[in-house]
Amino acid sequence: SQQGEEDPQALSIQEGENATMNCSYKTSINNLQWYRQNSGRGLVHLILIRSNEREKHSGRLRVTLDTSKKSSSLLITASRAADTASYFCATSSAGANNLFFGTGTRLTVIP
Amino acid sequence: EAGVVQSPRYKIIEKKQPVAFWCNPISGHNTLYWYLQNLGQGPELLIRYENEEAVDDSQLPKDRFSAERLKGVDSTLKIQPAELGDSAVYLCASRVGGNYNEQFFGPGTRLTVL
Repeated sequence: SQQGEEDPQALSIQEGENATMNCSYKTSINNLQWYRQNSGRGLVHLILIRSNEREKHSGRLRVTLDTSKKSSSLLITASRAADTASYFCATSSAGANNLFFGTGTRLTVIP
Repeated sequence: EAGVVQSPRYKIIEKKQPVAFWCNPISGHNTLYWYLQNLGQGPELLIRYENEEAVDDSQLPKDRFSAERLKGVDSTLKIQPAELGDSAVYLCASRVGGNYNEQFFGPGTRLTVL
């Protein structure tokens, strides 16, 4: 079974707009990570946020974490056509080295 | 630095045939994972290795799936016999130790069972 659920399942926006994806999870975590997967490719790590952090930035990415609500969001600003991909959140529990992935959000950025 | 290498990239077999997937992790990465990814879903863990030891294989269907990581480097995942429901992408990932380290994924092997 998968730990997280992403929302929305699919998102289509115009180039230059911002994209927001949400992730909800079920159990206590040590950290939460976001990955991108282009069609037919493996996953690429984007950003990691620890359970004691509330917000983190990396380039055009902004991640928030609310452990009280067991949720996270990924914001991609000024989207580009190259951002078209599936985005997955993944959680890791304390003392565990495994990641549990959500169902993913399919993002399409229209040029 | 070379990434995680997997082969073959694609495999088509008849049901009841055996199949094997190979993974070469990033040099120095002690931890190796095999995942199964169904279409439209996120990866699901099959097995995790710490060096040559399989420390978590609770999700591996042991009646038909087996894996090995001899010498704690390369790894092979085998299915024998394959069933129609095994059609999926099989991903390999590796990481260094520690609690806050990312996993590096290979491109995966897309298996089609006819």
